[in-house]
Amino acid sequence: DAGITQSPRYKITETGRQVTLMCHQTWSHSYMFWYRQDLGHGLRLIYYSAAADITDKGEVPDGYVVSRSKTENFPLTLESATRSQTSVYFCASSENPGAEEDTQYFGPGTRLTVL
Amino acid sequence: QQPVQSPQAVILREGEDAVINCSSSKALYSVHWYRQKHGEAPVFLMILLKGGEQKGHEKISASFNEKKQQSSLYLTASQLSYSGTYFCGTDRGSTLGRLYFGRGTQLTVWP
Repeated sequence: DAGITQSPRYKITETGRQVTLMCHQTWSHSYMFWYRQDLGHGLRLIYYSAAADITDKGEVPDGYVVSRSKTENFPLTLESATRSQTSVYFCASSENPGAEEDTQYFGPGTRLTVL
Repeated sequence: QQPVQSPQAVILREGEDAVINCSSSKALYSVHWYRQKHGEAPVFLMILLKGGEQKGHEKISASFNEKKQQSSLYLTASQLSYSGTYFCGTDRGSTLGRLYFGRGTQLTVWP
């Protein structure tokens, strides 16, 4: 399927477990982003990547790890899940940040619950 | 860090107009507007770049005052389909593409 996909769509895990959320895009966009969305906070950037093997921290990176070995994939790992990481996670991609046609396309989201 | 959106919530009847404001304490390179329906992903509406004051379609448009570091989204003759949460995302230009999102404005349109 063309576009940006995330898996799993729903995940329940326990405190202390490692969890990996997957993000895949078919457009070959250079830029990819991970956000978390919590009630009352809007969208907050966790990590972003300008290209394969180039990643940088966003506003709330603690407790998360990313990698980007291929342009189309941008997995997000919670090394040791905590209850405060219960949230909805959105992946997004963009081709031309800063340009007039700049658009971030969002995936459908992963709802993560940490018990 | 986050831009401030106002109002937090708006309730309208079909056909009425609404304005949503987005204000930043930092200089801005661009402002992005998104709409999100409940349980769905945010969907891009438009981008306003530094130097471009206003753009949009006839019923949904936006303005950007870079001196005041403010943007406004205008929804005219609202339709039921306009219901959702509207977010502004601000790009300061230091790292292009890195957006800081406001907390959102919940818009409800009633028939």
